[in-house]
Amino acid sequence: DIQLTQSPSFLSASVGDRVTITCRASQGISSYLAWYQQKPGKAPNLLIYAASTLQSGVPSRFSGSGSGTEFTLTISSLQPEDFATYFCQQLDSYPPTFGPGTKVDIK
Amino acid sequence: EVQLLESGGGLVQPGGSLRLSCAASGFTFSSSAMTWVRQAPGKGLEWVSTITGSAATTYYADSVKGRFTILRDNSKNTLYLQMDSLRAEDTALYYCVRPRGSGGKYFFDSWGQGTLVTVSS
Repeated sequence: DIQLTQSPSFLSASVGDRVTITCRASQGISSYLAWYQQKPGKAPNLLIYAASTLQSGVPSRFSGSGSGTEFTLTISSLQPEDFATYFCQQLDSYPPTFGPGTKVDIK
Repeated sequence: EVQLLESGGGLVQPGGSLRLSCAASGFTFSSSAMTWVRQAPGKGLEWVSTITGSAATTYYADSVKGRFTILRDNSKNTLYLQMDSLRAEDTALYYCVRPRGSGGKYFFDSWGQGTLVTVSS
């Protein structure tokens, strides 16, 4: 199975900050990576797929980049509604796997 | 608008069985693969199983293979997960998910609200 790691595991930031989360795959996955946001008590919400394609309806302050084994999710200016946990997911090969998550909290 | 409504969760003893259902609407159900993803309390996300639109092909996580069966009834726009020989480690919130993609490479763009399965004596 392809393992995904995320860093940091926890991030404390302020409104307006630029935030970057990294996801690393245990082997190359081309651009077959998605990012999700999950708020407490809610289902995950797709933000980005194909490493850098913004899902319809997702604010443009979210962006994704990377290919191969290293990927990043960037929030250009953190908003109050962005405090949540973020997961990456690889879809290159079965089984699809998720990263352990990065919790973004209010500083 | 895509809507996925899970039901069937509850408390079950170890070794018991449970059948989850997911009523789908807002898209052509029979044309879409469908997936179950679970999340143990306070933990991350784990893919459980996927079934193709025609039900011709199914995929399972190793952790549930041989114990869980994914099914669908395209005439009822309903997805199922038959869970047998349940273990404590199966305790989780189970999400019904509509995947997007092709060639078996799926990301997950629509999620239900989840149904909680608790395995405990």
